[in-house]
Amino acid sequence: EIVLTQSPGTLSLSPGERATLSCRASQSVSSSHLAWSQQKPGQAPRLLIYGASNRATGIPDRFSGSGSGTDFTLTISRLEPEDFAVYYCQQYGSSRTFGQGTKVEIK
Amino acid sequence: EVQLVESGGGLVQPGGSLRLSCVASGFLFSAYEMNWVRQAPGKGLEWASNISSSGTTVKYADSVKGRFTISRDNAKNALYLQMNSLRAEDTGIYFCARVVGSTIWDWGQGTLVTVSS
Repeated sequence: EIVLTQSPGTLSLSPGERATLSCRASQSVSSSHLAWSQQKPGQAPRLLIYGASNRATGIPDRFSGSGSGTDFTLTISRLEPEDFAVYYCQQYGSSRTFGQGTKVEIK
Repeated sequence: EVQLVESGGGLVQPGGSLRLSCVASGFLFSAYEMNWVRQAPGKGLEWASNISSSGTTVKYADSVKGRFTISRDNAKNALYLQMNSLRAEDTGIYFCARVVGSTIWDWGQGTLVTVSS
């Protein structure tokens, strides 16, 4: 099973700042199988990025994904108030796994 | 618009059983792999099980293998999760999810399962 480790656990930033979230895999992951989702309290997750770098339908261009192999990054260029949430990376290899999440909170 | 609506959650005693359902609309249900993903209170997401579009291939996380059974009825646009021998650690929200390509693309709102005496 591929283990995904996200860092940091919590990111304290102000609106307008840049957020950089990391997802590291225990073994190489195909870029086409790496995605990022956002979850707000009391809501289901929402897909942001698929295939490591492709924005899902309706996702603003301030969200971007990059990386390959074992290291992947989600960047939010300028935080909007609605972006404060928990972010999960997910991968599908022989089985599906999720990272433990990064909480982006208001500083 | 894709909609996934779960039901069947509730309070059950340890060792008991529950059957979750998910009714899908807005897409050709029979063409897509479906998953159940759960989330313990205050915790992260945990994949539990998936089923191929035809229903012939199923997989389970080790934590639920031998106790949970996933199934689907493509004629009814429905996904199911039969949960037996429930434990306290099975408590959480259970999400039904559609896979596109290899990615979980759409999520239902979830149904809460509480295992407690």
